[in-house]
Amino acid sequence: GEDVEQSLFLSVREGDSSVINCTYTDSSSTYLYWYKQEPGAGLQLLTYIFSNMDMKQDQRLTVLLNKKDKHLSLRIADTQTGDSAIYFCAAAASGGSYIPTFGRGTSLIVHP
Amino acid sequence: KAGVTQTPRYLIKTRGQQVTLSCSPISGHRSVSWYQQTPGQGLQFLFEYFSETQRNKGNFPGRFSGRQFSNSRSEMNVSTLELGDSALYLCASRSGQGQGSTLHFGNGTRLTVT
Repeated sequence: GEDVEQSLFLSVREGDSSVINCTYTDSSSTYLYWYKQEPGAGLQLLTYIFSNMDMKQDQRLTVLLNKKDKHLSLRIADTQTGDSAIYFCAAAASGGSYIPTFGRGTSLIVHP
Repeated sequence: KAGVTQTPRYLIKTRGQQVTLSCSPISGHRSVSWYQQTPGQGLQFLFEYFSETQRNKGNFPGRFSGRQFSNSRSEMNVSTLELGDSALYLCASRSGQGQGSTLHFGNGTRLTVT
């Protein structure tokens, strides 16, 4: 089955850009998602990208997809302390249930 | 539009007991999925219900079960609780089953088994 990998921690300074990386194994993954989880809360959908796209931009968020390498990244521009949270990458394959498989999450710590 | 609502937010149970968790999806959403989140295993898919039928199931023992009602509300039951069942249980709803439908999560039920 699908396996989604992320690094566990990322620490950045306020105002810098953050880049969170993710790799997946199933080349038939059609939908790739980024979710954010703040303490005591569920997962909030940030953005998603279809596999026929290379890039998607949404305000401070930029998603890059390298389908050949099965690599997905989330760039947060001008990172703020309020961006501190756990970020989850998820991949869902077509032709089936579209149940996404989640990575373990990257804990983003933003220093003032 | 109200989001996904899970009740209760916190539960403390003793080993061997059983527990029922409840989830009300976003209005109009017919699919409800359940996930278990632990520090060690991350998010693990439990099962998905669509129109009162279990459509997909993860790799959990039969102690974990669920159901969905005609109003799309869902319940999850865990019997004979074990210490390892301590986790955050997340419910998510989506409007359809196929492509283009995204999961919307509730805030979860934190279950502690002592």
